[in-house]
Amino acid sequence: QSVLTQPPSASGTPGQRVTISCSGSSSNIGSNYVYWYQQLPGTAPKLLIYRSIQRPSGAPDRFSGSTSGTSASLAISGLRSEDEADYYCAAWDDSLSALVFGGGTKLTVL
Amino acid sequence: QVQLQESGPGLVKPSETLSLTCAVSGGSFGTYYWNWIRQPPGRGLEWIGYMYYSGSTKYNPSLKSRVTISIDTSKTQLSLKLRSVTAADTAVYYCARGSLIWGSLDAFDIWGHGTMVTVSS
Repeated sequence: QSVLTQPPSASGTPGQRVTISCSGSSSNIGSNYVYWYQQLPGTAPKLLIYRSIQRPSGAPDRFSGSTSGTSASLAISGLRSEDEADYYCAAWDDSLSALVFGGGTKLTVL
Repeated sequence: QVQLQESGPGLVKPSETLSLTCAVSGGSFGTYYWNWIRQPPGRGLEWIGYMYYSGSTKYNPSLKSRVTISIDTSKTQLSLKLRSVTAADTAVYYCARGSLIWGSLDAFDIWGHGTMVTVSS
C-alpha cells in the first residue's frame, strides 16, 4: 500500500492526450513538491518532472505536471509509442520524514 | 558527465547482510545527497535513504533499524548495508544523486542502472 495513490494503468492512442493522477495528503503533496519519473521497460527510472511543474533539459515539452491541493497530475499530449512506460510520482512526506512514491502507472499506447 | 554504477553479490542468504556499492565517476560527491532506492520484481519504487557528502544521513523509517549508508570519498563510492535480510528484500537496488530544497529531498537527476539482489537460501 503506497502513501501516494496512482491508477495502476492508463492507455491512449497515438496523438491523444493522457493524464495520470497522483493522490496524497497534506503532509506530502499538500506541502511539498511533486516529482515524476518515467521507467521504460528494463531500465532505470528517469526524471521527467521536478518541483511539480518543471521539466529537466531533454524532457519533451509534451509532458507537463500540475498540482491542486493534495493531488498531482502528469499530462502527456501528442501521445507516442515510445511513451509506453511505467510512471511514478514522488514527494517528501513531512510526517514520515521520508520520500514516498506512488505505486506506479503502466501506460499503454494502443 | 556523472555516471553511477552499482555492484555487489546477486544472491544473499536469509538473515545475512546485503552489501552493495555505487561507484561515482565523472564527478565528485560535493554538495549532493546520495540515495539508495529499491524496486521488488514487478512492483514499485521504495526510497531507502540518503547520505550527504559531509556525512549526515536520513533513512526510511520502515528500514531504519537495519540500514547503514556510508561514503568513501577517497574511492568516490557510496555503500549500502542492509542487515537481517528476508525474501522481502529481494529487489533491484538503485543508487541516485539528489539534492535538498527547503529541507526536503529534491529530484533524483542521475540514476545508476541498478543491480538485482535475490535473498534465498
